Amino acid sequence: KNEVEQSPQNLTAQEGEFITINCSYSVGISALHWLQQHPGGGIVSLFMLSSGKKKHGRLIATINIQEKHSSLHITASHPRDSAVYICAVRFAMGETSGSRLTFGEGTQLTVNP
Amino acid sequence: KAGVTQTPRYLIKTRGQQVTLSCSPISGHRSVSWYQQTPGQGLQFLFEYFSETQRNKGNFPGRFSGRQFSNSRSEMNVSTLELGDSALYLCASSLAPASVETQYFGPGTRLLVL
Repeated sequence: KNEVEQSPQNLTAQEGEFITINCSYSVGISALHWLQQHPGGGIVSLFMLSSGKKKHGRLIATINIQEKHSSLHITASHPRDSAVYICAVRFAMGETSGSRLTFGEGTQLTVNP
Repeated sequence: KAGVTQTPRYLIKTRGQQVTLSCSPISGHRSVSWYQQTPGQGLQFLFEYFSETQRNKGNFPGRFSGRQFSNSRSEMNVSTLELGDSALYLCASSLAPASVETQYFGPGTRLLVL
């Protein structure tokens, strides 16, 4: 069982729809990241969270530490949002071992016009 | 400010050869982390360097090694290449150790081992 689980694996939406991608993890973490990867491989870091909620434009990320769960929401989705969204966590281990990121398998989002 | 750069962008090698990949972090960033991405295993952490010291290493064999120079540029080396080493290799940089900072990713080096 992967330590970081994402759902759904694939998501197809119509332009304008509200989108939610979920991420759950198995043990305590020090931080959770949401990443976006476009075709061609480039990765952009969208959010780094350790508690609560963050918003950037049409993107909102939330985390519930007690439930070990995070969600990434996209409001008013657009075809340019089509990408793979990846959840990654830093487990709450020692100072140096906690520097490694453990990744979910990613969610392939396709937004149709 | 220039982003993270990686060279080369594409590389073809044969089994048994060795390869060296380079990563230049954003100016002022002292932490560089390396990741491997394959269709089967997804993204996996290789190692992190901060101020020329390896802070952490992922679960990869000793054929995978790296180093960081005084100007924060980093290289990773894979010796005795295997077919399974075909992957996208990404590096990411941050100001402080990666555990406390957002990382900025480079475009990656796509390695094909024949």
